Amino acid sequence: DGGITQSPKYLFRKEGQNVTLSCEQNLNHDAMYWYRQDPGQGLRLIYYSQIVNDFQKGDIAEGYSVSREKKESFPLTVTSAQKNPTAFYLCASTKGRARYYTFGSGTRLTVV
Amino acid sequence: RKEVEQDPGPFNVPEGATVAFNCTYSNSASQSFFWYRQDCRKEPKLLMSVYSSGNEDGRFTAQLNRASQYISLLIRDSKLSDSATYLCVVNGIEAGAGSYQLTFGKGTKLSVIP
Repeated sequence: DGGITQSPKYLFRKEGQNVTLSCEQNLNHDAMYWYRQDPGQGLRLIYYSQIVNDFQKGDIAEGYSVSREKKESFPLTVTSAQKNPTAFYLCASTKGRARYYTFGSGTRLTVV
Repeated sequence: RKEVEQDPGPFNVPEGATVAFNCTYSNSASQSFFWYRQDCRKEPKLLMSVYSSGNEDGRFTAQLNRASQYISLLIRDSKLSDSATYLCVVNGIEAGAGSYQLTFGKGTKLSVIP
């Protein structure tokens, strides 16, 4: 079955470390998105990509970086510049003019 | 002004009750509207799209009022399994290449009590 796979499910980061969250989809979707969710808060857009080798900053891009070298993959790096990275990270995708998103199961990142 | 606002909740209702969620959005150019359901510590999943004429899916009814920029979700005969957070979602920003960005409300938590 097609879907979006995020890994790992849980991730622990030490202060000052960079970590990379994986997002892979086999839905042949064009656009991919990264969101962050904090307890009691809505989803906030970090980065999005419409096509390979192109991506745009969302509302809270500072301290994050992405790449889109393949249509299927959109990894997110949480850098040491992100001062409060503990959150639930969700990857989503959509195809063309499809109006709704399909989400991965998320990665829960904790700073220790 | 927040782009998508929802009832703060939480809503605690007995099994069998009818419960209604409301949502307002600020972008009058918004074109598509959805309700997503999110279970605790899980990803959001599409519950239903919302159409101008109103639409129903079993026990769930969604309504849209474009003039008032208002969306609602009605759940009849609540089940224990309906306990979740319900997210109001609006499509209003064209992000290029024919696709769109969605804007999410913070969600309303529903607990259905035996």
